[in-house]
Amino acid sequence: EPEVTQTPSHQVTQMGQEVILRCVPISNHLYFYWYRQILGQKVEFLVSFYNNEISEKSEIFDDQFSVERPDGSNFTLKIRSTKLEDSAMYFCASSTIVAGAVQETQYFGPGTRLLVL
Amino acid sequence: AQSVTQLDSQVPVFEEAPVELRCNYSSSVSVYLFWYVQYPNQGLQLLLKYLSGSTLVKGINGFEAEFNKSQTSFHLRKPSVHISDTAEYFCAVRTSGSRLTFGEGTQLTVNP
Repeated sequence: EPEVTQTPSHQVTQMGQEVILRCVPISNHLYFYWYRQILGQKVEFLVSFYNNEISEKSEIFDDQFSVERPDGSNFTLKIRSTKLEDSAMYFCASSTIVAGAVQETQYFGPGTRLLVL
Repeated sequence: AQSVTQLDSQVPVFEEAPVELRCNYSSSVSVYLFWYVQYPNQGLQLLLKYLSGSTLVKGINGFEAEFNKSQTSFHLRKPSVHISDTAEYFCAVRTSGSRLTFGEGTQLTVNP
């Protein structure tokens, strides 16, 4: 069964450094998402992306965050200057589009655990 | 804006006992409802979903949930749990737009 993959599984970085989290969505999916889960808290929506544009973003997704689909398979989340409070598990998800409508089910990857020191 | 409340943060049960994990949502518009499961150190796996039609939906691993519009609830049930069901369970709602709004999660611990 096709699945969403994410790399790396764990990343440790110093405060102020840039990080790029990578995701490979399911191959025929066209709608992509990033969520994060701070330890012990709920999963929070960051951004959705379709047709090379951000479709929707939350208040968390400020100017230090950016997303990109650099090629036909990868979807990335960049954090420009990491802060301690960016430490979290970051989940990528994808969904398909049928007859122009985004399908309701989002399929999640295993996550990247980011630790900012 | 929609919100999701999972009424129990922790639910301990014995193996083979029935379990119900409670979820209430608030939304003034039609919703799609989901339950996801997160096993230790893993990602989110879809258990089941309600989009429309029958209010009783069945999912994987013997779980089912019932959509109750009047009570704005979507409780998850399983008649007999196994040790392997120990995990964190998240209820989520989607209305307009693409985002899922998650509840705080319920840690189900099945004891022998």
